[in-house]
Amino acid sequence: EAGVTQFPSHSVIEKGQTVTLRCDPISGHDNLYWYRRVMGKEIKFLLHFVKESKQDESGMPNNRFLAERTGGTYSTLKVQPAELEDSGVYFCASSPSMGASTEAFFGQGTRLTVV
Amino acid sequence: QKEVEQNSGPLSVPEGAIASLNCTYSDRGSQSFFWYRQYSGKSPELIMSIYSNGDKEDGRFTAQLNKASQYVSLLIRDSQPSDSATYLCAVTRYGQNFVFGPGTRLSVLP
Repeated sequence: EAGVTQFPSHSVIEKGQTVTLRCDPISGHDNLYWYRRVMGKEIKFLLHFVKESKQDESGMPNNRFLAERTGGTYSTLKVQPAELEDSGVYFCASSPSMGASTEAFFGQGTRLTVV
Repeated sequence: QKEVEQNSGPLSVPEGAIASLNCTYSDRGSQSFFWYRQYSGKSPELIMSIYSNGDKEDGRFTAQLNKASQYVSLLIRDSQPSDSATYLCAVTRYGQNFVFGPGTRLSVLP
């Protein structure tokens, strides 16, 4: 069974440009999470989808970040325009429907560098 | 504000010893607790989950949970150099996002 996949694995863009990150969760997982780890800091929550709906987007840093999950399958996270402080590793994770066993499985992450 | 705290380390133990990693959390309503291992440049990998007070053992790993003290720990027996990584504690309520601690760097010395 395929795990959580993210694309691209690395992205280097200039300040002011737009970047779109993609996450394909494990098939059948309703929950999809985006997290970010900036250098030297802990992994921080960005937002949580349940199917196609945004359950919690309290971690989104500002309105330059837009996440979508059309059809409840894959998700995209767009940063427009990118700023230097957006550099970091963006992780996507998915988990099955709510219940006692709600382990989240992580993708390999997208390393974003804004120069 | 939900918080999860861990000692950043590095925690150094000799090969074959027991490594003890600790985590405290502030949200008393937390229901699920996880330990992830993250090698440098890699994604977090789930190694243990625990949901009720007490101990849970899986191979060389034992997770311990004490909800009254808001404390969860991970013991690694017979530590190996391949266990050297950053260990992340994560806490969640059902249906909500995972809150991660900053991680503890473990170094197992041959």
